[in-house]
Amino acid sequence: DTEVTQTPKHLVMGMTNKKSLKCEQHMGHRAMYWYKQKAKKPPELMFVYSYEKLSINESVPSRFSPECPNSSLLNLHLHALQPEDSALYLCASSQDVSLPSRYGYTFGSGTRLTVV
Amino acid sequence: GQQVMQIPQYQHVQEGEDFTTYCNSSTTLSNIQWYKQRPGGHPVFLIQLVKSGEVKKQKRLTFQFGEAKKNSSLHITATQTTDVGTYFCAGLGSSNTGKLIFGQGTTLQVKP
Repeated sequence: DTEVTQTPKHLVMGMTNKKSLKCEQHMGHRAMYWYKQKAKKPPELMFVYSYEKLSINESVPSRFSPECPNSSLLNLHLHALQPEDSALYLCASSQDVSLPSRYGYTFGSGTRLTVV
Repeated sequence: GQQVMQIPQYQHVQEGEDFTTYCNSSTTLSNIQWYKQRPGGHPVFLIQLVKSGEVKKQKRLTFQFGEAKKNSSLHITATQTTDVGTYFCAGLGSSNTGKLIFGQGTTLQVKP
């Protein structure tokens, strides 16, 4: 299995809702990432998990709460989002944060989030 | 903080013409990666460059990493309509934290 699977593919939520995005990989990767991508912009790093521990939080607002239940799963819990948070949320994984891998980062197909 | 600049933002070419995108980092990189994102798709890894002055080829694509490990380029020879998409460079800083920072991307349009 060489894929990163993200669910759901599309999500529409109100500003008072609580929802979660899910990401799964079975490549044995020990680093997992959340990126946010707005239209016509590059992916913007949000969080880095290394060996199931949060190692980088890029000053992301607390309405985004990441969780790594085990080495294969990564969640992003959403609460009280704003319309400007509408974007494509991408999960990625790599072998390790500290070892250059000739396979790079593997991205999932993303969750397209709309906040209304 | 680390910044990665990429030019041009857009490039329109006739099928068969060559294409080049350039990437510059404000800091020395441990490695640089290149990704392609098709319209409506997600970034797909193309290649990683690690060594100073490194040059790698993949069929019609040639990737270079500068001697100072602060700049890189991607050159496509004889573009095809299947090359359409946005090409991103992405740099990893020397601290090896996994903090992969993307350039702004170059969107390539190819006219048949």
